[in-house]
Amino acid sequence: DQQVKQNSPSLSVQEGRISILNCDYTNSMFDYFLWYKKYPAEGPTFLISISSIKDKNEDGRFTVFLNKSAKHLSLHIVPSQPGDSAVYFCAAAPLNTGTASKLTFGTGTRLQVTL
Amino acid sequence: DVKVTQSSRYLVKRTGEKVFLECVQDMDHENMFWYRQDPGLGLRLIYFSYDVKMKEKGDIPEGYSVSREKKERFSLILESASTNQTSMYLCASLLGGGTGELFFGEGSRLTVL
Repeated sequence: DQQVKQNSPSLSVQEGRISILNCDYTNSMFDYFLWYKKYPAEGPTFLISISSIKDKNEDGRFTVFLNKSAKHLSLHIVPSQPGDSAVYFCAAAPLNTGTASKLTFGTGTRLQVTL
Repeated sequence: DVKVTQSSRYLVKRTGEKVFLECVQDMDHENMFWYRQDPGLGLRLIYFSYDVKMKEKGDIPEGYSVSREKKERFSLILESASTNQTSMYLCASLLGGGTGELFFGEGSRLTVL
């Protein structure tokens, strides 16, 4: 049972436009959410996170929105750049677990930013 | 600069062979993890360790074992490799008490023939 779902396996966006990557979860115990970015032949790198006490967190061009009632989060990238082309994974965990052992990852969305 | 290093980027092994995947981190992190990444399945946790000589099973531990003799090193062992263990293997580390911001290695792509 996939508790964290990224229903769009791929997304293509023009350079300069907004990229919106979506993630849905089913476990109401999840309180902390993260996005990771992965380039081919490299390990994932942490991008941005949000806890359930917030509905928005912003870091430069990247903003994550959380809608707890809908169990939905999204990552907005504005403006999109060719270097943003990568696979993006969302992940979720119950808060205060102390370790990342309770992290559940989504299946990933491949973003392609075209010129 | 923080670093998680996986010893082998690409391996090709035969069915039944014993396989060792090594991971070393230089951040003095307490927690280390082994994931596998497969298309359409995302990242799945195999094993993790929160201290030297301590280990706990993740979501898919069958067919794998681990070893953590030193804080900086975490090894994944496939006792008898099978074709369904062909995958990308990712090692990660995390500071104790961290909230999930894992540091990943570059990955080891294993092909079992």
